[in-house]
Amino acid sequence: EVQLVQSGAEVKKPGESLKISCKGSGYTFTSYWIAWVRQMPGKGLEWMGIIYPGDSDTRYSPSFQGQVTISADKSISTAYLQWGSLKASDTAMYYCARRDSSSHTFDIWGQGTMVTVSS
Amino acid sequence: QAVLTQPSSLSASPGASASLTCTLRSGINVGTYRIYWYQQKTGSPPQYLLRYKSDSDKQQGSGVPSRFSGSKDASANAGILLISGLQSEDEADYYCMIWHNSAWVFGGGTKLTVL
Repeated sequence: EVQLVQSGAEVKKPGESLKISCKGSGYTFTSYWIAWVRQMPGKGLEWMGIIYPGDSDTRYSPSFQGQVTISADKSISTAYLQWGSLKASDTAMYYCARRDSSSHTFDIWGQGTMVTVSS
Repeated sequence: QAVLTQPSSLSASPGASASLTCTLRSGINVGTYRIYWYQQKTGSPPQYLLRYKSDSDKQQGSGVPSRFSGSKDASANAGILLISGLQSEDEADYYCMIWHNSAWVFGGGTKLTVL
Protein backbone atom coordinates (compact mmCIF):
# COMPACT_ATOMS: atom_id res chain seq x y z
CA GLU A 1 0.00 0.00 0.00
CA VAL A 2 1.28 3.42 -0.96
CA GLN A 3 1.26 5.69 2.05
CA LEU A 4 2.82 8.69 3.73
CA VAL A 5 3.05 8.54 7.51
CA GLN A 6 3.76 11.73 9.38
CA SER A 7 5.23 12.27 12.82
CA GLY A 8 2.99 13.02 15.77
CA ALA A 9 1.54 16.22 17.13
CA GLU A 10 3.88 18.78 18.64
CA VAL A 11 3.43 21.47 21.29
CA LYS A 12 6.20 24.06 21.33
CA LYS A 13 6.96 27.48 22.73
CA PRO A 14 7.68 30.54 20.63
CA GLY A 15 11.33 30.69 19.64
CA GLU A 16 11.86 26.93 19.77
CA SER A 17 12.98 24.88 16.81
CA LEU A 18 11.11 21.96 15.29
CA LYS A 19 11.51 19.31 12.60
CA ILE A 20 8.56 17.16 11.54
CA SER A 21 8.74 14.16 9.26
CA CYS A 22 6.89 12.35 6.49
CA LYS A 23 7.87 8.73 5.70
CA GLY A 24 6.91 7.21 2.38
CA SER A 25 6.33 3.53 1.77
CA GLY A 26 4.94 1.23 -0.88
CA TYR A 27 6.56 3.10 -3.79
CA THR A 28 9.92 4.34 -5.04
CA PHE A 29 10.41 7.33 -2.74
CA THR A 30 13.13 8.91 -4.86
CA SER A 31 10.93 9.10 -7.98
CA TYR A 32 8.16 11.39 -6.71
CA TRP A 33 8.11 14.95 -5.48
CA ILE A 34 6.90 15.50 -1.90
CA ALA A 35 5.07 18.72 -1.06
CA TRP A 36 4.21 20.35 2.24
CA VAL A 37 0.85 22.06 2.74
CA ARG A 38 -0.24 24.21 5.67
CA GLN A 39 -3.76 24.46 7.02
CA MET A 40 -4.26 26.97 9.80
CA PRO A 41 -7.15 26.32 12.20
CA GLY A 42 -10.46 26.71 10.38
CA LYS A 43 -8.72 27.93 7.22
CA GLY A 44 -7.84 26.69 3.76
CA LEU A 45 -4.87 24.95 2.20
CA GLU A 46 -1.58 26.72 1.46
CA TRP A 47 1.27 25.19 -0.56
CA MET A 48 4.57 25.72 1.23
CA GLY A 49 7.12 24.01 -0.97
CA ILE A 50 8.19 20.79 -2.61
CA ILE A 51 11.23 18.52 -2.75
CA TYR A 52 12.41 15.80 -5.11
CA PRO A 53 14.09 13.24 -2.85
CA GLY A 54 16.05 11.78 -5.74
CA ASP A 55 18.35 14.79 -5.91
CA SER A 56 16.98 17.07 -3.14
CA ASP A 57 15.88 19.70 -5.66
CA THR A 58 13.67 21.99 -3.55
CA ARG A 59 11.25 24.77 -4.44
CA TYR A 60 9.50 27.11 -2.02
CA SER A 61 6.38 29.21 -2.18
CA PRO A 62 7.39 32.89 -1.96
CA SER A 63 5.18 33.10 1.13
CA PHE A 64 7.30 30.52 2.97
CA GLN A 65 10.77 31.10 1.51
CA GLY A 66 13.15 31.77 4.37
CA GLN A 67 10.55 30.80 6.97
CA VAL A 68 10.96 27.02 6.79
CA THR A 69 13.40 24.45 5.46
CA ILE A 70 12.39 21.38 3.49
CA SER A 71 14.75 18.43 3.26
CA ALA A 72 14.78 14.70 2.64
CA ASP A 73 16.79 11.63 3.57
CA LYS A 74 16.31 9.18 0.74
CA SER A 75 18.12 6.42 2.65
CA ILE A 76 15.14 6.21 5.00
CA SER A 77 12.44 7.46 2.56
CA THR A 78 11.63 10.46 4.73
CA ALA A 79 10.97 14.10 4.01
CA TYR A 80 11.19 16.84 6.61
CA LEU A 81 9.83 20.29 7.34
CA GLN A 82 11.66 22.37 9.89
CA TRP A 83 11.58 25.71 11.65
CA GLY A 84 14.47 27.47 13.30
CA SER A 85 12.36 29.73 15.50
CA LEU A 86 8.66 29.06 15.84
CA LYS A 87 6.00 31.75 16.14
CA ALA A 88 2.47 31.51 17.46
CA SER A 89 1.29 32.06 13.89
CA ASP A 90 2.93 28.74 12.90
CA THR A 91 0.16 26.94 14.77
CA ALA A 92 -1.45 24.78 12.11
CA MET A 93 -1.94 21.32 10.66
CA TYR A 94 0.84 20.42 8.25
CA TYR A 95 0.34 17.83 5.53
CA CYS A 96 2.84 16.19 3.25
CA ALA A 97 1.61 15.01 -0.14
CA ARG A 98 3.08 13.04 -3.03
CA ARG A 99 2.98 14.59 -6.47
CA ASP A 100 2.11 11.99 -9.05
CA SER A 101 4.16 12.30 -12.21
CA SER A 102 1.40 11.27 -14.60
CA SER A 103 -1.57 13.18 -13.20
CA HIS A 104 0.63 16.05 -11.96
CA THR A 105 -1.46 16.26 -8.85
CA PHE A 106 -1.10 15.45 -5.17
CA ASP A 107 -2.47 11.94 -5.14
CA ILE A 108 -1.36 10.61 -1.73
CA TRP A 109 -1.50 12.64 1.47
CA GLY A 110 -0.11 12.07 4.92
CA GLN A 111 -2.45 12.09 7.89
CA GLY A 112 -1.19 15.50 8.99
CA THR A 113 0.91 16.77 11.89
CA MET A 114 -0.64 19.32 14.24
CA VAL A 115 1.84 21.89 15.47
CA THR A 116 0.79 24.12 18.35
CA VAL A 117 2.99 27.04 19.34
CA SER A 118 2.01 28.66 22.61
CA SER A 119 3.73 30.25 25.54
CA GLN B 1 -7.36 40.05 -5.22
CA ALA B 2 -6.80 36.35 -4.70
CA VAL B 3 -5.65 34.22 -7.64
CA LEU B 4 -8.53 31.74 -7.10
CA THR B 5 -11.88 32.65 -5.55
CA GLN B 6 -14.42 30.13 -4.34
CA PRO B 7 -17.76 30.82 -2.64
CA SER B 8 -17.36 30.10 1.06
CA SER B 9 -20.43 27.91 1.31
CA LEU B 10 -23.07 26.12 -0.71
CA SER B 11 -26.11 24.09 0.30
CA ALA B 12 -27.99 21.52 -1.75
CA SER B 13 -30.45 18.70 -1.20
CA PRO B 14 -29.76 14.98 -1.40
CA GLY B 15 -30.21 13.70 -4.93
CA ALA B 16 -29.77 17.17 -6.44
CA SER B 17 -26.72 18.52 -8.28
CA ALA B 18 -24.23 21.04 -6.95
CA SER B 19 -22.03 23.27 -9.07
CA LEU B 20 -18.95 24.57 -7.26
CA THR B 21 -17.11 27.41 -8.93
CA CYS B 22 -13.49 28.47 -8.86
CA THR B 23 -13.02 31.90 -10.42
CA LEU B 24 -9.62 32.95 -11.67
CA ARG B 25 -8.41 36.48 -11.08
CA SER B 26 -8.88 38.90 -13.93
CA GLY B 27 -5.96 38.65 -16.32
CA ILE B 28 -5.47 34.93 -15.70
CA ASN B 29 -7.19 33.00 -18.49
CA VAL B 30 -8.94 29.86 -17.28
CA GLY B 31 -8.51 28.28 -20.70
CA THR B 32 -4.79 27.86 -20.23
CA TYR B 33 -4.92 26.11 -16.86
CA ARG B 34 -5.48 22.63 -15.59
CA ILE B 35 -7.73 22.93 -12.57
CA TYR B 36 -7.42 20.34 -9.82
CA TRP B 37 -10.16 19.61 -7.30
CA TYR B 38 -9.83 18.19 -3.81
CA GLN B 39 -12.33 17.09 -1.21
CA GLN B 40 -11.60 17.40 2.49
CA LYS B 41 -13.89 15.89 5.09
CA THR B 42 -13.73 17.06 8.69
CA GLY B 43 -10.71 15.72 10.50
CA SER B 44 -9.18 14.13 7.38
CA PRO B 45 -6.51 15.12 4.88
CA PRO B 46 -7.60 16.30 1.43
CA GLN B 47 -8.34 13.72 -1.25
CA TYR B 48 -7.77 14.26 -4.95
CA LEU B 49 -10.97 14.19 -7.00
CA LEU B 50 -10.13 15.15 -10.56
CA ARG B 51 -8.28 17.38 -12.96
CA TYR B 52 -9.87 19.34 -15.81
CA LYS B 53 -8.44 21.51 -18.55
CA SER B 54 -10.61 20.51 -21.50
CA ASP B 55 -12.66 17.52 -22.59
CA SER B 56 -9.50 16.13 -24.15
CA ASP B 57 -7.32 16.87 -21.13
CA LYS B 58 -9.00 15.64 -18.01
CA GLN B 59 -8.47 12.94 -15.44
CA GLN B 60 -10.60 11.32 -12.77
CA GLY B 61 -8.92 10.40 -9.52
CA SER B 62 -8.60 6.74 -8.67
CA GLY B 63 -11.87 5.43 -7.27
CA VAL B 64 -13.67 8.76 -7.66
CA PRO B 65 -17.30 8.22 -8.78
CA SER B 66 -18.31 9.53 -12.20
CA ARG B 67 -20.93 11.76 -10.57
CA PHE B 68 -17.99 14.09 -9.86
CA SER B 69 -17.02 15.91 -13.03
CA GLY B 70 -15.15 19.01 -14.11
CA SER B 71 -15.83 21.72 -16.63
CA LYS B 72 -15.14 25.38 -17.32
CA ASP B 73 -17.18 28.50 -17.91
CA ALA B 74 -14.99 30.65 -20.09
CA SER B 75 -17.39 33.60 -19.92
CA ALA B 76 -17.02 33.65 -16.15
CA ASN B 77 -13.32 32.74 -16.28
CA ALA B 78 -14.08 29.89 -13.88
CA GLY B 79 -13.54 26.22 -13.34
CA ILE B 80 -16.50 24.16 -12.18
CA LEU B 81 -16.83 21.01 -10.13
CA LEU B 82 -20.20 19.41 -10.73
CA ILE B 83 -21.48 16.85 -8.27
CA SER B 84 -24.62 15.06 -9.37
CA GLY B 85 -26.88 12.82 -7.29
CA LEU B 86 -25.72 14.41 -4.06
CA GLN B 87 -25.29 12.12 -1.10
CA SER B 88 -24.86 12.94 2.56
CA GLU B 89 -21.27 11.68 2.37
CA ASP B 90 -20.47 14.47 -0.12
CA GLU B 91 -20.72 17.00 2.69
CA ALA B 92 -17.19 18.37 2.87
CA ASP B 93 -14.89 21.25 1.98
CA TYR B 94 -13.86 21.44 -1.66
CA TYR B 95 -10.69 23.15 -2.90
CA CYS B 96 -9.54 24.04 -6.38
CA MET B 97 -5.88 24.39 -7.28
CA ILE B 98 -3.75 25.54 -10.21
CA TRP B 99 -0.08 25.79 -11.07
CA HIS B 100 0.56 29.53 -11.49
CA ASN B 101 3.79 31.48 -11.65
CA SER B 102 5.86 28.45 -10.56
CA ALA B 103 3.73 27.84 -7.50
CA TRP B 104 0.77 25.69 -6.55
CA VAL B 105 -2.14 27.95 -5.60
CA PHE B 106 -5.27 26.83 -3.77
CA GLY B 107 -8.63 28.52 -3.69
CA GLY B 108 -10.09 29.39 -0.30
CA GLY B 109 -12.44 26.41 -0.37
CA THR B 110 -16.21 25.89 -0.46
CA LYS B 111 -18.04 24.21 2.38
CA LEU B 112 -20.75 22.04 0.84
CA THR B 113 -23.69 21.21 3.05
CA VAL B 114 -26.09 18.46 1.97
CA LEU B 115 -29.44 18.86 3.70
